[in-house]
Amino acid sequence: LAKTTQPISMDSYEGQEVNITCSHNNIATNDYITWYQQFPSQGPRFIIQGYKTKVTNEVASLFIPADRKSSTLSLPRVSLSDTAVYYCLVALYSSASKIIFGSGTRLSIRP
Amino acid sequence: SAVISQKPSRDICQRGTSLTIQCQVDSQVTMMFWYRQQPGQSLTLIATANQGSEATYESGFVIDKFPISRPNLTFSTLTVSNMSPEDSSIYLCSVEALAGTGELFFGEGSRLTVL
Repeated sequence: LAKTTQPISMDSYEGQEVNITCSHNNIATNDYITWYQQFPSQGPRFIIQGYKTKVTNEVASLFIPADRKSSTLSLPRVSLSDTAVYYCLVALYSSASKIIFGSGTRLSIRP
Repeated sequence: SAVISQKPSRDICQRGTSLTIQCQVDSQVTMMFWYRQQPGQSLTLIATANQGSEATYESGFVIDKFPISRPNLTFSTLTVSNMSPEDSSIYLCSVEALAGTGELFFGEGSRLTVL
């Protein structure tokens, strides 16, 4: 399983765009990149998943360069409620997959 | 999507006792995952439970300490046996609603405090 590296913490302000980068130098050809969000006292919540280039949904965008050795989660115009821990995961998802979480990035949004 | 209910949501236990955590899913799923999250830490996978077969444990976790049952496609239990204060954690049940997608759904977790 590819190991991921993320910043331990980040701070930003309401209304700003926040970009969290994850390094995964040993990503395999068939691995997908997935991001989760976790609020205190809750289980993680799936945000977005991608394989290459760019993926966008109603919550975030995921940018993946051609070499796929890193990815960037982009949160547009954050609010206080985006304060959470964000996890980047890289894995081959199959019927026998097991999903391993890295250390995560603790994002704090200030007024 | 999948809705997961865990019981108990929290408990305070005495050293040396055992506690069983229940996980109920609102749909049939092939695999269920049990994670542990110690205070301020990331999630650590304990084991993967398939219906009708023995659970598969990750390194550092053994069946005698964390026995798991998976009697049907919507239910699983995790028992934390002979507890010590080091077992104080949040235990989370998770499922992949659609196998092979990598999209996990989690319960709210069971917060255990061992005195």
